[in-house]
Amino acid sequence: AQTVTQSQPEMSVQEAETVTLSCTYDTSESDYYLFWYKQPPSRQMILVIRQEAYKQQNATENRFSVNFQKAAKSFSLKISDSQLGDAAMYFCAYRQAGGSQGNLIFGKGTKLSVKP
Amino acid sequence: GAGVSQTPSNKVTEKGKYVELRCDPISGHTALYWYRQSLGQGPEFLIYFQGTGAADDSGLPNDRFFAVRPEGSVSTLKIQRTERGDSAVYLCASSPGPGTGGRTQYFGPGTRLTVL
Repeated sequence: AQTVTQSQPEMSVQEAETVTLSCTYDTSESDYYLFWYKQPPSRQMILVIRQEAYKQQNATENRFSVNFQKAAKSFSLKISDSQLGDAAMYFCAYRQAGGSQGNLIFGKGTKLSVKP
Repeated sequence: GAGVSQTPSNKVTEKGKYVELRCDPISGHTALYWYRQSLGQGPEFLIYFQGTGAADDSGLPNDRFFAVRPEGSVSTLKIQRTERGDSAVYLCASSPGPGTGGRTQYFGPGTRLTVL
């Protein structure tokens, strides 16, 4: 069975600085998708960034980028120029590409605090 | 269009009672998912609908949990004989369905269920 591990329960960053959140996963599949979701206190899960496993190029969305290391099964999220609004829980998630298995498998999350 | 909506936002019930939680997916999305998020944890998969049929219900914890999607749009999660351990946030997500564009799930704000 696939698993997702986030080893940092909490992280803190100074406003305008850069922070990296770690995620590792375990799978025997070769084709899959990886996601980072942000969950503020409002509970709404918001997609931050998505990576297709078959793509070697790391995904980037404005201040958010990933370091995808397929062989190491690592998928870290880098937030540049951190803003107060980035404070939230961040969840790493895995999804199998083929078959009928459509659900996401989530890690336990990392709580990010941003200091002014 | 509008995002995924869930009602009620909060539900307090007594042990042993029956509850229904409703999810309105994004218009046109054929895939719908239910997840349960306990305090301090990532969301855990419950059930996945493709159209009107449950394509995967392997995450339902026991037979007290049931979900329907009779017309392929709105879905209702039903919990019979509620127990205190059912207390959690229940999240609904939808996606366009099969195909590359369907790999991203869009979440609603969740229903916080409290069983006294």
